[in-house]
Amino acid sequence: SQKIEQNSEALNIQEGKTATLTCNYTNYSPAYLQWYRQDPGRGPVFLLLIRENEKEKRKERLKVTFDTTLKQSLFHITASQPADSATYLCALVGMGYQKVTFGTGTKLQVIP
Amino acid sequence: EAGVVQSPRYKIIEKKQPVAFWCNPISGHNTLYWYRQNLGQGPELLIRYENEEAVDDSQLPKDRFSAERLKGVDSTLKIQPAELGDSAVYLCASSPGDRSYEQYFGPGTRLTVT
Repeated sequence: SQKIEQNSEALNIQEGKTATLTCNYTNYSPAYLQWYRQDPGRGPVFLLLIRENEKEKRKERLKVTFDTTLKQSLFHITASQPADSATYLCALVGMGYQKVTFGTGTKLQVIP
Repeated sequence: EAGVVQSPRYKIIEKKQPVAFWCNPISGHNTLYWYRQNLGQGPELLIRYENEEAVDDSQLPKDRFSAERLKGVDSTLKIQPAELGDSAVYLCASSPGDRSYEQYFGPGTRLTVT
């Protein structure tokens, strides 16, 4: 069965450092991979989308990589700030279809 | 531009009672999703609409859940009767469609079944 794995444990990082979050998947051939941010009591907010034929995508302090051979995406936040503290969800979109399957999310805590 | 609107924000009901959630998507968005999110988990798709057509309801527990999207705009998700295990946050999201896969989520409705 399809499986998406994100670090279940919270990630604590010092302010100013680069945070790296991992999303691994099995039994899936996604056309796209997305990253969302979710704050407590709120719905997820779309951050970045990367296509299967793209290796890397950047947006301001965010960088996403996508390795379809390893079946893995890495999400980086450079120069992290306490305001970056949130839960980050990866989501896979299947081929030719808009169904989105979410991972369980990784909670990031940036310590001042 | 207004975001996705959901109501109510919170609902507490006793088991076996009915409950309904309402969603108004972003204007012009053809695709509408309903998700359920349990604590510490990612959102789980319940149903997806393209305009007024339900194109994916494979995860919707049809014995007690129903949904509609009249005129391809607002949508309602209903549970009847509610069970204790239905306690969760119910999220609505919309997408422009037309190969745009970004989803815009509402704040969700937190349902507690006692």
